[in-house]
Amino acid sequence: QVQLQESGPGLVKPSQTLSLTCAVSDDSITSANYYWSWIRQPAGRGLEWIGRIYTNGNTNYSPSLKRRLSISVDTSKKQFSLRLTSVTAADTAVYYCARDSLFITGASFFDSWGRGTLVIVSS
Amino acid sequence: QSALTQEVSVSGTVGQKVTLSCSGNNNNIGGYAVGWYRQISRGAPKTVMFGNSLASGIPDRFSGSKSGTTASLTISGLQPEDEGDYYCSVWDYSLSAHVFGGGTKLTVL
Repeated sequence: QVQLQESGPGLVKPSQTLSLTCAVSDDSITSANYYWSWIRQPAGRGLEWIGRIYTNGNTNYSPSLKRRLSISVDTSKKQFSLRLTSVTAADTAVYYCARDSLFITGASFFDSWGRGTLVIVSS
Repeated sequence: QSALTQEVSVSGTVGQKVTLSCSGNNNNIGGYAVGWYRQISRGAPKTVMFGNSLASGIPDRFSGSKSGTTASLTISGLQPEDEGDYYCSVWDYSLSAHVFGGGTKLTVL
């Protein structure tokens, strides 16, 4: 069973850049069967998909975040990362990383989740 | 406003059969299988099922189905441990993005 662990600063100042990393416990990060996603959840609200990356670096981003968003992968370190620029209080949330299991039809679902990390945007 | 529509809340008694729904359009649910996720006390989400396939460790009283642009998660024989917030999610072809429903709070009375 793959394990995912988010890490990064818990406090970011407004207008600065939020950076998080997700460590993957096994070699599935190099598998053609998976994307690797970031998902967030503001307090008291529902889940919001942020974006995902494939082992070859191909990405898909949420249309509402794509201007500020960058996701990268380092397969040698078994990790992928999130960078969100120009943050505001609206970006305060628990951030989850998840393995996104891909099917030949193009459908995919999140089959494993990290425990989440709280990021607060405040001066 | 979420791309997928779910009931805000659903309740049932122990042993009852309940169904949660998730409505979308032809660009998402109409074309792809739907994932269901449960969140308890705002902890990390846990995968319940994808399409009509149960995730590991999920009892077979859970089942999934889809008709057109609406997916459903049915729990036959509701148990107290089934309480939680349930979210549906699916790939949206037109957006090239995953979309989530707003979540359904399931209460076991």
